Order: sequence, then C-alpha cells, then structure tokens
Amino acid sequence: DAGVIQSPRHEVTEMGQEVTLRCKPISGHNSLFWYRQTMMRGLELLIYFNNNVPIDDSGMPEDRFSAKMPNASFSTLKIQPSEPRDSAVYFCASRPGQGDGNTIYFGEGSWLTVV
Amino acid sequence: AQSVTQPDIHITVSEGASLELRCNYSYGATPYLFWYVQSPGQGLQLLLKYFSGDTLVQGIKGFEAEFKRSQSSFNLRKPSVHWSDAAEYFCAVGDHNNAGNMLTFGGGTRLMVKP
Repeated sequence: DAGVIQSPRHEVTEMGQEVTLRCKPISGHNSLFWYRQTMMRGLELLIYFNNNVPIDDSGMPEDRFSAKMPNASFSTLKIQPSEPRDSAVYFCASRPGQGDGNTIYFGEGSWLTVV
Repeated sequence: AQSVTQPDIHITVSEGASLELRCNYSYGATPYLFWYVQSPGQGLQLLLKYFSGDTLVQGIKGFEAEFKRSQSSFNLRKPSVHWSDAAEYFCAVGDHNNAGNMLTFGGGTRLMVKP
C-alpha cells in the first residue's frame, strides 16, 4: 500500500511568495492532519479534517495559513505570503478511523525554507 | 489537557547495549500511547502502540514498551541496540474523546549509537 504522499519534498522560496504544500492521504482513511515540526516548538498540530471537513484549525498560526481538502484523496496547505519564520518541516498524516484507534500514519514531510 | 514529557533530549549508547527511553504522560483517563521513530530526513514511523489489555506491547524492529499506570509512564526498550537505530524517538498520547484525533507529542529523544 502506498503511504501518505506529500509534495514537494523540499522547497526553497523567497519571503512574500505563496507556498502550496500538497498531500494525498492513504486510500480509505477518513481523517487527515497537517503538522509542523521545528526545533523550537517540536511537532505541532495545525489542522485536521474528518471526512473532508475541517474540524479543528486552532493550531493554524495566523491568517496567512490556510488548508483545504476538496476531496477524500487530496489536501493542500497554503502559506501566503510566506515569511522566514515559516521555515519548518510540514507533515501530512492520515488515520483510518475508529477501527484502528488513534493510529496516525505520517508522510515523509515537506521541508520548507523561506529566505 | 494531555501532555507528554520525554526527559532525555539526547542519549548515547554503545552498539549492542540495552536501551530505555523514558516517556511520562499526563491524561485524565486511560490514554492511547504511541512511540514513533524519525530517521534523519524522514517522516515519522510508528514503532508500537498501546490501547488496552496487556501492558507490555511489542513493536517493530525489536522494540517493546510497557504501560505503567501508577507511574504514568510508557518507556520504550530494546535489549540490544543496532547502529541503524540512531534516530529521534517521539512518544505521543492520544485521547479517547474528540474522535481520538488529538495526538500530543513529546519533545523527542535523539538516540546516538557508538560503534
């Protein structure tokens, strides 16, 4: 089975530019999560979706960040405009549902550098 | 609110030696507990999980962890460490409510293995 697929794996962009990170969850999973990992703050949950509906976006740092899930197989995390402090690894993850408890499966991450 | 503490930021062990990584959690009821491993430049891979039942759980790569309710701990162990185990290890706790979607991670323990 393919795991969670994220793109791009690495991105370097200039401050002020728009960044779009993409995620394809594992087929059949009904919850999708976006996490951010930094040295200072560790792993932080930004937002999660259940059945394509955003449930909790309290972790989204500010209005520059937005996330969408137009269908069960695709999600985006957008940063506009980007700032150097947004440099981090962004992980997408998915969960199969109640039958597997809380087991969350992670993608390999998108390494973002904003210069 | 739930929380996870990994007291050791860095641990160095010799190859072939035994390993124990500490994890303490705070949660009002019986938690879901997880250990994930992150190799450099990679995403998080699930090592093992505890939901209920036998408090000693076996995972992949020869790892095991023991849930001790009285100590609010879920320490990860391996009897003989291999050089390929060098990575960062994250303990996480998930709640039984909120559709089980609130997974909180500890700060991680970076394991180095000496030849």
